[in-house]
Amino acid sequence: DADVTQTPRNRITKTGKRIMLECSQTKGHDRMYWYRQDPGLGLRLIYYSFDVKDINKGEISDGYSVSRQAQAKFSLSLESAIPNQTALYFCATSDLADNQETQYFGPGTRLLVL
Amino acid sequence: RKEVEQDPGPFNVPEGATVAFNCTYSNSASQSFFWYRQDCRKEPKLLMSVYSSGNEDGRFTAQVDKSSKYISLFIRDSQPSDSATYLCVVNEGSGNTGKLIFGQGTTLQVKP
Repeated sequence: DADVTQTPRNRITKTGKRIMLECSQTKGHDRMYWYRQDPGLGLRLIYYSFDVKDINKGEISDGYSVSRQAQAKFSLSLESAIPNQTALYFCATSDLADNQETQYFGPGTRLLVL
Repeated sequence: RKEVEQDPGPFNVPEGATVAFNCTYSNSASQSFFWYRQDCRKEPKLLMSVYSSGNEDGRFTAQVDKSSKYISLFIRDSQPSDSATYLCVVNEGSGNTGKLIFGQGTTLQVKP
């Protein structure tokens, strides 16, 4: 079984709709991240969390919110989706004890906002 | 100016060629460097960390020159299975910030 899972894997929604992307991990890592990837731009950090009570904005947090319900779960919400939020979204985890800060990614969620 | 810059390619090479990827970064406080590999429509996966003294893992060699803020990856005897996008990644700053800055990636296509 995969250590980092994301649901859904693909989603089509309409402008103005609220949607939630879920991420779960079985690695026991404290740190979790949400990124989006767009062609030609690389991965950009949306939000990150270092433990259940910790939420931090990343480079491009506007239009997004997150919830860290438990160590193993980190969800990303788009309160009112817009077409320029069409992208590939990745969740990732890392271990505080890992000095090299290796991040482990989920398989991604492809989101299309019409 | 992007914090981590890479030539997007694509690099099209014959099997057996040696390939060199380069990357520059802007934050002189960065102390951790990595190369990730991303296959088409898949998630990025760590290929190797880059140590100050340079390091090698099989056919792959990674180096960093902190004075010029330059990171490189060499692939010897490239194989079709090496075809992927290679992401240069830099820690945002010194210490254990956990925040990584990703380059846009360089695409490699190795033809048999």
